[in-house]
Amino acid sequence: GESVGLHLPTLSVQEGDNSIINCAYSNSASDYFIWYKQESGKGPQFIIDIRSNMDKRQGQRVTVLLNKTVKHLSLQIAATQPGDSAVYFCAETNTGNQFYFGTGTSLTVIP
Amino acid sequence: NAGVMQNPRHLVRRRGQEARLRCSPMKGHSHVYWYRQLPEEGLKFMVYLQKENIIDESGMPKERFSAEFPKEGPSILRIQQVVRGDSAAYFCASSPYTGGAGGDTQYFGPGTRLTVL
Repeated sequence: GESVGLHLPTLSVQEGDNSIINCAYSNSASDYFIWYKQESGKGPQFIIDIRSNMDKRQGQRVTVLLNKTVKHLSLQIAATQPGDSAVYFCAETNTGNQFYFGTGTSLTVIP
Repeated sequence: NAGVMQNPRHLVRRRGQEARLRCSPMKGHSHVYWYRQLPEEGLKFMVYLQKENIIDESGMPKERFSAEFPKEGPSILRIQQVVRGDSAAYFCASSPYTGGAGGDTQYFGPGTRLTVL
């Protein structure tokens, strides 16, 4: 079966610092990846995506890096704010039918 | 433009009862996905539907669980004879069909939290 895992289950950062959340995936055929943010009691919220023909994509305060050689994905959040505190999931697919989600990293921003 | 809607948000059932979870996709979206999430875990795929068709149900238990997405109305995830192990958050996601290689972005609803007593 698929395996999408995260290196760190929890991460604490000071407000204003940059955050880096990592994700490893096992299926080399995966060609589409998404980062989601999930706040307590809510559904996952789309943050940013990247397809396998790219190795970097930037959004507003967020950057996703994809290293297909080592099957690693990372999410960088610039100038982390208290509102960024949440659980972050990476998800990957190679069929478009179903995404495989990692366990999640809980990000806590310290004011 | 309303997002994905799910109801009820919270559902309590006793063992042996039936649970019906509803999902209305975003306007213009014809693909619906159901996921289950246990506490402190990631989301696990259950089923993928298009209007009137089940495309992939490989993640759904063979017994007691069923899903539909009729031509009119919301998608329904139905759990018959619920057991305590069915207690979880059930999320629905929808996506448009853009033909993108590898799939399209899935947008999630707020979830239904099912508690089985």
